[in-house]
Amino acid sequence: DIVMTQTPLSSPVTLGQPASISCRSSQSLVHSDGNTYLSWLQQRPGQPPRLLIYTISNRVSGVPDRFSGSGAGTDFTLKISRVEAEDVGVYYCMQGTQSPLTFGQGTRLEIK
Amino acid sequence: QVQLQQSGPGLVKPSQTLSLTCAISGDSVSSSSATWSWIRQSPSRGLEWLGRTYYRSKWLNDYAVFVKSRITINPDTSKNQFSLQLNSVTPEDTAVYYCARQLVGTFDIWGQGTMVTVSS
Repeated sequence: DIVMTQTPLSSPVTLGQPASISCRSSQSLVHSDGNTYLSWLQQRPGQPPRLLIYTISNRVSGVPDRFSGSGAGTDFTLKISRVEAEDVGVYYCMQGTQSPLTFGQGTRLEIK
Repeated sequence: QVQLQQSGPGLVKPSQTLSLTCAISGDSVSSSSATWSWIRQSPSRGLEWLGRTYYRSKWLNDYAVFVKSRITINPDTSKNQFSLQLNSVTPEDTAVYYCARQLVGTFDIWGQGTMVTVSS
């Protein structure tokens, strides 16, 4: 199975300041069809995960443009340009390139 | 707008069978592009994909190796839903269980989650 490793596990951030979460996969996520199936999900307290970004950098409709994804191969990053109170929660990267689909352990974003 | 609505008991006795259902609205369980998964989440193991069902000229299933001997996921086309059965449960199966749609290599729609506790 592909192992997804996130850093940091916890990220205290000041409102209005940027935040960045890294995700590394144990092998390349480039699929034979040429796509890289790396996604980012947000889970607010008491809610199911919500898809934010898919195939590295594509934002889901309705997701604010302060969220952006980047990376390639085995190294990926989620950035929030200016953190708002509603961004508090746990963020997960996940890979859909190889079955079984696997998730990172999560990064808890909290306000200082 | 696609929605998934989960139902099923929140308490199961050890050695018995965990059964959950996920009703789909706004899409079809027989979709030729989507697959339909069950995922669980616990503090100790995080998010774990359990398995999926999907239709590609015939019905297919994939299951995670660690539950393969105990799990069945079935579609129900008459009700546009799919179900999870996990046999011989132990307290280690205590978790929040989610159903989800997989499309374009990711889970884009999730059910509301069901907290299942395995206890006598």
